[in-house]
Amino acid sequence: AQSVTQPDIHITVSEGASLELRCNYSYGATPYLFWYVQSPGQGLQLLLKYFSGDTLVQGIKGFEAEFKRSQSSFNLRKPSVHWSDAAEYFCAVGAREYGNKLVFGAGTILRVKS
Amino acid sequence: DTAVSQTPKYLVTQMGNDKSIKCEQNLGHDTMYWYKQDSKKFLKIMFSYNNKELIINETVPNRFSPKSPDKAHLNLHINSLELGDSAVYFCASRGGGSKETQYFGPGTRLLVL
Repeated sequence: AQSVTQPDIHITVSEGASLELRCNYSYGATPYLFWYVQSPGQGLQLLLKYFSGDTLVQGIKGFEAEFKRSQSSFNLRKPSVHWSDAAEYFCAVGAREYGNKLVFGAGTILRVKS
Repeated sequence: DTAVSQTPKYLVTQMGNDKSIKCEQNLGHDTMYWYKQDSKKFLKIMFSYNNKELIINETVPNRFSPKSPDKAHLNLHINSLELGDSAVYFCASRGGGSKETQYFGPGTRLLVL
């Protein structure tokens, strides 16, 4: 069965501090990996994606993520968090073999304190 | 230039009613999806259509019936609404080939009273 685990339900960081959000997956096929962000009452915005190739991918708003196959992880990072980054972050996995449907993690709520 | 749009944005209705949510994409994509986000923010796939053909149906009650009149539209009709249907419903679309990214609509917030 396909599953995505985001072990941290809430994370609080100070503005300007670095951030790492964890994502682990269990998948029976070669996965595509995504991070989406959702602000309160809003839809889902794509931050970045990994399909193949370079395992360190850059996204919008200064975010990056690293795919580590040996650890089945795709952690999201940002070197310096801004107050506007406060939102909920979702890791998602898809694969052509499963009709490209996305399986989402439960989300991590990021709070930024000034 | 809305890529994936949904109507209505909010829907409040009584138990037992029948309602529809519409989704349109102007990206020229072949594949469209419906996802449900429950009160705990958990997102789960419901349906997927490719060129008007149903390709994914994730054990959704048959009170939910997707309809795709053309590949730019995927509507969701819900019969006999129940309290547990209250959720945010997201439509998404995806291009074919190597363009695997799914783009999401703004969501429809359904509240069943």
